[in-house]
Amino acid sequence: SQTIHQWPATLVQPVGSPLSLECTVEGTSNPNLYWYRQAAGRGLQLLFYSVGIGQISSEVPQNLSASRPQDRQFILSSKKLLLSDSGFYLCAWSIFEGNTIYFGEGSWLTVV
Amino acid sequence: KQEVTQIPAALSVPEGENLVLNCSFTDSAIYNLQWFRQDPGKGLTSLLLIQSSQREQTSGRLNASLDKSSGRSTLYIAASQPGDSATYLCAVTDSNYQLIWGAGTKLIIKP
Repeated sequence: SQTIHQWPATLVQPVGSPLSLECTVEGTSNPNLYWYRQAAGRGLQLLFYSVGIGQISSEVPQNLSASRPQDRQFILSSKKLLLSDSGFYLCAWSIFEGNTIYFGEGSWLTVV
Repeated sequence: KQEVTQIPAALSVPEGENLVLNCSFTDSAIYNLQWFRQDPGKGLTSLLLIQSSQREQTSGRLNASLDKSSGRSTLYIAASQPGDSATYLCAVTDSNYQLIWGAGTKLIIKP
């Protein structure tokens, strides 16, 4: 069966520090991969998605970037965090667009 | 532009009641609609997916319906239990295969 792992679960970082959130999927090949951010009381905001290695689409211009160095690995990064980057980040995958989407457990980021 | 709305934002009911959660969307040209559950501080769990050609899907005590022409979906939960307490989100996949999310309904089941 397929599983998705996301880490770290919780992160407290100072303003201006770098960020790296990692996500891996097991049990499938060539998945579509997604990074979402969820603000309190609001729907999910799609940040990045990838349909293959090295293929990244950005939905929202921001202080973040994403990379897909391997088929089932998706990384969310920042060179210098801002206070506004604080939030709940979710990695997800689907076998193809429009199919059921499966989420990781999420990462809480607090920028102080 | 597709918009997804979930009303109410929060709902509290006694244990054992049957209940309905609502999801509405503005553009009927959807590929499918999905319902998810989210426990506090956790990721989302997929509950049901209804294709645009379907009218309903069932899983255990959950039943989701879809009426594309009126832009509505409902999630029916039978015989509610305290363990059903969570936030329920719906999302439509539009014709460009983009997921458009509602803000969710926070459900509390009182023992």
